[in-house]
Amino acid sequence: GAGVSQSPRYKVAKRGQDVALRCDPISGHVSLFWYQQALGQGPEFLTYFQNEAQLDKSGLPSDRFFAERPEGSVSTLKIQRTQQEDSAVYLCASSSGPSYGYTFGSGTRLTVV
Amino acid sequence: GIQVEQSPPDLILQEGANSTLRCNFSDSVNNLQWFHQNPWGQLINLFYIPSGTKQNGRLSATTVATERYSLLYISSSQTTDSGVYFCAVEDLTGGGNKLTFGTGTQLKVEL
Repeated sequence: GAGVSQSPRYKVAKRGQDVALRCDPISGHVSLFWYQQALGQGPEFLTYFQNEAQLDKSGLPSDRFFAERPEGSVSTLKIQRTQQEDSAVYLCASSSGPSYGYTFGSGTRLTVV
Repeated sequence: GIQVEQSPPDLILQEGANSTLRCNFSDSVNNLQWFHQNPWGQLINLFYIPSGTKQNGRLSATTVATERYSLLYISSSQTTDSGVYFCAVEDLTGGGNKLTFGTGTQLKVEL
């Protein structure tokens, strides 16, 4: 597609509920990234894929967070047993490679109540 | 990890004014990008600039890698330039895969 598409745009979850956030990167982009942005702060790295391989997941805050990209295109970030501290905007970005700029999606704003 | 500091934290300009935003980083980098986050939350990549100078319309950026800083110049500012400007870097130990963002400069351009 023309840009990075994320869905849903907004998600309200009850504490303890599981959620799944979707990212559809720019067609042909090898690299895909997930970032978490808390209110008033800069985005923080969660995880990185090169094609279908998850090469870095050092930023995932706990084992409740899981990401996949099974066919090397669409990616899903799953959060199990959501907690209030998980409330944030989750941003997905894609890139042609390490020497190119990132294109970010519009993000999913998750609110855990 | 690498530290990224941006200044000023907040800036108010009259339309038509020029400004310079600064990004200092604590270690050598192989990736530096400037982003604009508009009031609706969309992050737009402005420049990929690990070194040197680039220009795009009213915006230009310069990175002096040996002195560990980058500057973003905005000329003839417009109200649509309002938002938060982020500098993001990756140090040399990475593979272009993990950007560390600064805390941003909040810019408001008034009529």
